[in-house]
Amino acid sequence: GAVVSQHPSRVICKSGTSVKIECRSLDFQATTMFWYRQFPKQSLMLMATSNEGSKATYEQGVEKDKFLINHASLTLSTLTVTSAHPEDSSFYICSARKRGPVFGRETQYFGPGTRLLVL
Amino acid sequence: DAKTTQPPSMDCAEGRAANLPCNHSTISGNEYVYWYRQIHSQGPQYIIHGLKNNETNEMASLIITEDRKSSTLILPHATLRDTAVYYCIVRANSGYALNFGKGTSLLVTP
Repeated sequence: GAVVSQHPSRVICKSGTSVKIECRSLDFQATTMFWYRQFPKQSLMLMATSNEGSKATYEQGVEKDKFLINHASLTLSTLTVTSAHPEDSSFYICSARKRGPVFGRETQYFGPGTRLLVL
Repeated sequence: DAKTTQPPSMDCAEGRAANLPCNHSTISGNEYVYWYRQIHSQGPQYIIHGLKNNETNEMASLIITEDRKSSTLILPHATLRDTAVYYCIVRANSGYALNFGKGTSLLVTP
């Protein structure tokens, strides 16, 4: 199998502060990681694609200066929510791409998610 | 990516087989059918994927019709822990971002 971890699992912060979420692939190298956000009773929405050693690609409507992504190594990507506000409260989920033995047979594995509450 | 259509909800009795349908009539020849599930307040879990042939693993079986326009995920002996939202996703390569629709909310009852 493939394991992806996230830390912290939940965080409560005050409005205006910054929060960093870590995503790690524990038993495989991931050249690409993805960050999703999920609001209550909604499906996952892609925020950004993170490639190791390069700048992240953000989806339309996602502020890159607010959601800072750093993919520093093949096993770690971080998402920093800067100047968090209550509307940023959500469930943040990362995923990592694991290459298969055959090109195209790749599988994406997800972390357990981080629940952020901004007061 | 090809669009998928799933029923919003289904019930299944514990111990019975759960058959979750998915329609993907616009699927292209190079697109795979992926299934993920999300248990409440957890990240999505990969279940299975296939291209043309039926697939089976320790979690489930995937039956793809000959014309590839629809598929069925089968959980052979559903348990209460299988209660989750199941997502059918069609993608040429799962290595790229996945487009999660609304999925099917499966409730397994005692």
